[in-house]
Amino acid sequence: DAGITQSPRYKITETGRQVTLMCHQTWSHSYMFWYRQDLGHGLRLIYYSAAADITDKGEVSDGYVVSRSKTENFPLTLESATRSQTSVYFCASSIQGLGAFFGQGTRLTVV
Amino acid sequence: GNSVTQMEGPVTLSEEAFLTINCTYTATGYPSLFWYVQYPGEGLQLLLKATKADDKGSNKGFEATYRKETTSFHLEKGSVQVSDSAVYFCALRAQGGSEKLVFGKGTKLTVNP
Repeated sequence: DAGITQSPRYKITETGRQVTLMCHQTWSHSYMFWYRQDLGHGLRLIYYSAAADITDKGEVSDGYVVSRSKTENFPLTLESATRSQTSVYFCASSIQGLGAFFGQGTRLTVV
Repeated sequence: GNSVTQMEGPVTLSEEAFLTINCTYTATGYPSLFWYVQYPGEGLQLLLKATKADDKGSNKGFEATYRKETTSFHLEKGSVQVSDSAVYFCALRAQGGSEKLVFGKGTKLTVNP
């Protein structure tokens, strides 16, 4: 199906483990983003990418790593998960002028 | 820096009531402004947008007008339905910058029959 797909939808992991959240889009949009959604904070930008091999930090990037070797994929890795990274993570893509299109989200719980 | 402030929720209305959700922004120049809607268990969907002063965005009976003089982009609907129950987010994209969006904290709307 066309669109933006995140996997997994739900994930429980232990403190200290490395976790990778996947994001795939079929539109060939140049921009991709990772946001986290927390009660009382709305959505906060973790990382974004303007094109393949171009990434930049957002406002809450500590503890996260991204890569973008192909236009359609933008995985987010938590290097050593902490309880404060328990959140709902949204991937989005956009093309200039249209606004962003969001995936369904990944609910991550760190225990 | 750029920021968005929207009214705190939750907002509870009866069906067919009038809805206003206030949104103001801080940004230099002329940002683009957006309203997104999030239904339970889903991602955000673009509801409407405006890219220049005095533009009115509209969709599904919702409207918002870009007011540069008051730095506002309030969301309105004349007659809400139970199916409008969701969380609404106001957002801006800075003029001339990347496609990054800055979001408000969201307003939860519940519409009762």
